[in-house]
Amino acid sequence: DGGITQSPKYLFRKEGQNVTLSCEQNLNHDAMYWYRQDPGQGLRLIYYSQIVNDFQKGDIAEGYSVSREKKESFPLTVTSAQKNPTAFYLCASSIFGGRQEQYFGPGTRLTVT
Amino acid sequence: AQSVTQLGSHVSVSEGALVLLRCNYSSSVPPYLFWYVQYPNQGLQLLLKYTSAATLVKGINGFEAEFKKSETSFHLTKPSAHMSDAAEYFCAVRGGYNQGGKLIFGQGTELSVKP
Repeated sequence: DGGITQSPKYLFRKEGQNVTLSCEQNLNHDAMYWYRQDPGQGLRLIYYSQIVNDFQKGDIAEGYSVSREKKESFPLTVTSAQKNPTAFYLCASSIFGGRQEQYFGPGTRLTVT
Repeated sequence: AQSVTQLGSHVSVSEGALVLLRCNYSSSVPPYLFWYVQYPNQGLQLLLKYTSAATLVKGINGFEAEFKKSETSFHLTKPSAHMSDAAEYFCAVRGGYNQGGKLIFGQGTELSVKP
């Protein structure tokens, strides 16, 4: 089955620790995206990547970092510099350009205390 | 720049009643519009999309939406609500090429269905 996997589903960390969220897709999509979801605020774009070894900041990139070493993988690191990291994180992918929709993974809920 | 406004953060209907979720957009280019559904603690699932073909778009689970350029709207409807339709719904417009094709989402509308 083709799709997007995110792991883990739930993640708990202490304040001051970096944490990396995994996102893998087997849809052969070029573009991948990371969104953050908070109650009542919809989804906000953190980072996106259109091709391997290249990525761009989204609307709320501060305190986050990404890498895109393989087409299938787009991990997100939430650093200790992120002031309010507790949220639901969603990864998505799409065919680059055109009218194509984005496909979403199941999400990772990160809780930092 | 593109933007989306969803009118009503919560909508409640009775089972069997019409569902109407409102979405208005702003776009400097011909828009590509999407409706997604999200069940609790899950990812988003595409309901339907408008990509400049037919203005009335049919999606999954009996939902449809009509693109009205004059009203800059893309409202989502379903003739008869089912209990399983209770979820959060997001309208989105695709950003321009220089925005990496990102999706710009509305705030979401939570749909409740009463028995």
